[in-house]
This record gives sequence, C-alpha cells and structure tokens, in this order.
Amino acid sequence: GDSVTQMEGPVTLSEEAFLTINCTYTATGYPSLFWYVQYPGEGLQLLLKATKADDKGSNKGFEATYRKETTSFHLEKGSVQVSDSAVYFCALSAYTGKLIFGQGTTLQVKP
Amino acid sequence: DAGVIQSPRHEVTEMGQEVTLRCKPISGHNSLFWYRQTMMRGLELLIYFNNNVPIDDSGMPEDRFSAKMPNASFSTLKIQPSEPRDSAVYFCASSGAGERGTLITDTQYFGPGTRLTVL
Repeated sequence: GDSVTQMEGPVTLSEEAFLTINCTYTATGYPSLFWYVQYPGEGLQLLLKATKADDKGSNKGFEATYRKETTSFHLEKGSVQVSDSAVYFCALSAYTGKLIFGQGTTLQVKP
Repeated sequence: DAGVIQSPRHEVTEMGQEVTLRCKPISGHNSLFWYRQTMMRGLELLIYFNNNVPIDDSGMPEDRFSAKMPNASFSTLKIQPSEPRDSAVYFCASSGAGERGTLITDTQYFGPGTRLTVL
C-alpha cells in the first residue's frame, strides 16, 4: 500500500544552518505530496505542496521538489531560525483523498 | 475565515464516562477527517466523511468509538465508555471540492485539536 518514510529525528541545528529533512514515498498512480508543520500545542499547518513530478513547492523559505524518479520530496531551507523549531510531517494523497503521513521529524534550532 | 473549529480544547474525564468531541469544518468544505495523535502511534486517521457520508471508518479503533456528521457544518466524535488508553490529541480536518475529477481533494486544513485525558 501507499506509504511515506521520513528521516528519524530529532534534528538539532544551530540558527542559520542549512536544513534537509528527507522524505521518500511509495504509491500507485500519481499522488500529490505535502509538507505539514506542527508547532507545540497546535494543529498541523500546510507548509507546502506539489501536485505533479518536477513541481517545486515553496513557502516561508522552505522548498521541496517532487522527484518521481527517486520517489522523494525532501524538505530544505537555506537558513533556519529558532522559530522554525517544530515537528515536520511529509504526506501523500492519492485519488481517495486520504492523506498518508510519515512519522514526523522533530526539528530543534538553537540560538 | 475562522478555520476549523474544535471544542472543547481540553477534556479531562474519568474512565467509563462518555466523551463527545465537536468539530465545525471550514464553510464550503465538503470533506471532514478525524485523526488521533499519540506519542506511541503518531498520527492516525480514524474516519472521514464526504458530503456528510462516512467514506472510510477502518481506522476507528473499536465499537466504543462513533462519529456522526448530521450536516455540512458539524461533526461529532463520541467515545463511550472511555478508557485511559484513549488519552490523546484528537484533530479534525476539512478539505474542499475534488480536483482532477477525484472524489475528495487533497489539501486538508486542521483544527487546533482536543487534548483528551482519561483518568
């Protein structure tokens, strides 16, 4: 069945460091891909999405490119801030509309 | 838009009591999802509705859990009787009309969650 695998956390970085959180997926058909972010005590928020191969989603300095050949959707940011500390979820959606989530990756950014 | 609204935000109850969680989706959205989040199991989809009709309830853990959507602007998730292992954060999410000819669209918008503690 469809699945999403994220790199295990926690990921601890210093402020202004480069961030990569790896995400790979297995799916039939052509899913849409998402990154959601969850700040402490809050619900999940859509960070970015891509709906077809080679699309790049971007928001708030974060980027991810839909790579069909490697079935990946890695999240990147050039310079992280303390305020980026959160849990990041990679997800896919097939035609049924259900979102399949990865297990989440905790990011901690230190000043 | 007010976003997805959930109530209560926190609920503490004793084992055996009935618990009802409420959700108001974003106006105009026609799909609604209930999730449960715990440290041990992560984020789990419990059930989802499209146009007020339950589409997939395979994630509902057992008969103690039930969900209803009597109209497009309201849904409930009920646990009766509650048990300590039901303690979790329960999220409601909604999404709009289908894209690309699909039944349900893909971008979901989450509420703030209800933190349930069963003693």
